[in-house]
Amino acid sequence: KNEVEQSPQNLTAQEGEFITINCSYSVGISALHWLQQHPGGGIVSLFMLSSGKKKHGRLIATINIQEKHSSLHITASHPRDSAVYICAVLSNSGNTPLVFGKGTRLSVIA
Amino acid sequence: EAGVTQSPTHLIKTRGQQATLRCSPISGHTSVYWYQQALGLGLQFLLWYDEGEERNRGNFPPRFSGRQFPNYSSELNVNALELEDSALYLCASSFEDRFTDTQYFGPGTRLTVL
Repeated sequence: KNEVEQSPQNLTAQEGEFITINCSYSVGISALHWLQQHPGGGIVSLFMLSSGKKKHGRLIATINIQEKHSSLHITASHPRDSAVYICAVLSNSGNTPLVFGKGTRLSVIA
Repeated sequence: EAGVTQSPTHLIKTRGQQATLRCSPISGHTSVYWYQQALGLGLQFLLWYDEGEERNRGNFPPRFSGRQFPNYSSELNVNALELEDSALYLCASSFEDRFTDTQYFGPGTRLTVL
């Protein structure tokens, strides 16, 4: 079992829909990152969370440390939001400090 | 402000050869991180350099190595290339020497091993 699991793996939405991407992890963490990877491969860091909730524009990220779960929400989705969204946790155990989920591929159709 | 740059964009090598990938961080950033993104495996942490020193490495064999130069640019070397080393190699930099700082990613080097 992967230490970081994302769901869904693939998601297709109509423009304007509210989107939720989930990330569950099994290791103890000190922080969690949400990343966005566009088709060309470029990666942008969206959020870094250690508790609570953060908002940037139409993007909202939440984390529940007790439940070991984080969600990324996109309001009023747009085709330009089409990308792979990756959750990464900063583990406080083991040799690898940053552990990644396999990503959620989002396609937003106009 | 220039972002993180990586070179070359693409690199084709044959099995057993060595590959050298380069990364220049954002000006003022001292930490450089290397990641491997192989098809179907997702991103995996490779190496972390800060102030010229290797701070941490992921679960990769010793033939993956690198260094950081006094100007904070970094080099990733992969010796004795194997077919499964084919991947997108991403470099990121951050201002602070900790994973909790925002990381800025370069466009990546796509390595193909034939």
